[in-house]
Amino acid sequence: QSVLTQPPSVSGAPGQRVTISCTGSSIETGYDVNWYQQIPGKAPKLLIYGNNIRPSEVPDRFSGSKSGASASLAITGLRAEDEGLYYCQSYDPSLSGVFGGGTKLTVL
Amino acid sequence: QVHLVQSGAEVKKPGSSVRVSCKASGDTFSNYAFIWVRQAPGQGPEWMAGFFPVFGTPTYAQRFRGRLTVNADESTTTFYMDLGGLTSEDTAVYYCARGRPYSGSWYAAFDIWGQGTVVTVSS
Repeated sequence: QSVLTQPPSVSGAPGQRVTISCTGSSIETGYDVNWYQQIPGKAPKLLIYGNNIRPSEVPDRFSGSKSGASASLAITGLRAEDEGLYYCQSYDPSLSGVFGGGTKLTVL
Repeated sequence: QVHLVQSGAEVKKPGSSVRVSCKASGDTFSNYAFIWVRQAPGQGPEWMAGFFPVFGTPTYAQRFRGRLTVNADESTTTFYMDLGGLTSEDTAVYYCARGRPYSGSWYAAFDIWGQGTVVTVSS
């Protein structure tokens, strides 16, 4: 089964830019990557799909990219409400989804 | 506005089965993808199964094959997840989500999620 690796935590001050990486064979194979934000006790919220497509309701402070075996989520103009858990998601060769281990974002 | 409303919390004995339902309101679910995802306490999401219209049949994560079945009732716009052989490791919040296909491919953007159903497995 494919594994997607994310850093356990990242942090930044309000207004700063942070990036969260996601690496794995699924990404290198070429499968699309999605990104989700999750506040404890709530369902995941889609932030980015198709590697870099942002749903209309998601602020343009969030952006996604993919290159080689790695994908990244960037958040600019960091705000307190951005604190939470962030997960990348892609697919394995059986076309079953796979999630990364998650990254906890702390706004200092 | 589309909503997904899931069935209520369940408490099950080890070895038993559980059914969780997910009703879509506000829209049809033709031509959309659906997935089931669960999240154990303190853990990240885990993909269980998905249905992508272009494939016409559900796909299951390997670890659930043989004890997981997902299906849909179009007449009631309701999706179901049946998980058997429950153990304490199946204690989790179970989510359904709807995805809209994009880029003319099989991929889908899962932007609508149910509220989650807590399943507790305990003797």
